[in-house]
Amino acid sequence: DAGVIQSPRHEVTEMGQEVTLRCKPISGHDYLFWYRQTMMRGLELLIYFNNNVPIDDSGMPEDRFSAKMPNASFSTLKIQPSEPRDSAVYFCASSLRIQGWGSADTQYFGPGTRLTVL
Amino acid sequence: SQQGEEDPQALSIQEGENATMNCSYKTSINNLQWYRQNSGRGLVHLILIRSNEREKHSGRLRVTLDTSKKSSSLLITASRAADTASYFCATDALTSGTYKYIFGTGTRLKVLA
Repeated sequence: DAGVIQSPRHEVTEMGQEVTLRCKPISGHDYLFWYRQTMMRGLELLIYFNNNVPIDDSGMPEDRFSAKMPNASFSTLKIQPSEPRDSAVYFCASSLRIQGWGSADTQYFGPGTRLTVL
Repeated sequence: SQQGEEDPQALSIQEGENATMNCSYKTSINNLQWYRQNSGRGLVHLILIRSNEREKHSGRLRVTLDTSKKSSSLLITASRAADTASYFCATDALTSGTYKYIFGTGTRLKVLA
């Protein structure tokens, strides 16, 4: 398997523009996670899906952020309108469910999308 | 809310020495995992320890878990320059029927050749 695939790898945009980040999880994985990493706040979980259903979106900063998972092999994270404080590296990760434990197993991370909002 | 905190925040050692990093958390967990992140890259899973386990080994890695103290440690023995990276602990916890996944603040390890 190619691992978790994210696109684009780098995105530079101007304040107010819409940004769409894409993720293809590892085939067969039940969970998909979106994280944001900055020097100030570290690695923050934004939202995660289980079987394409959003389970916890409490980490989504505000209404400008939205995430979808229309099928098991694709997810998007959209920021509209973007602001300079959204500049960060955004990671997508996927995992299987731990049998008998009810929670996610090892998370496999994609290479990340480095977003710069000017 | 639960938060994982690693200490030290940064650690610098000579090649061949052992490196120990600690992680503390606040609420009961299901599992605790350690990840490594090389500069500019995604995180890579190292080891998972379940709440009913106390110690686990994987190659040069040794992880311990003390649920009574809500803490875990990661020991890297005979460190190599290639071990230079940031190390994060990650916990899951069932909160109001939903699992929360939280990463710690990380320890930046530098191994000097």
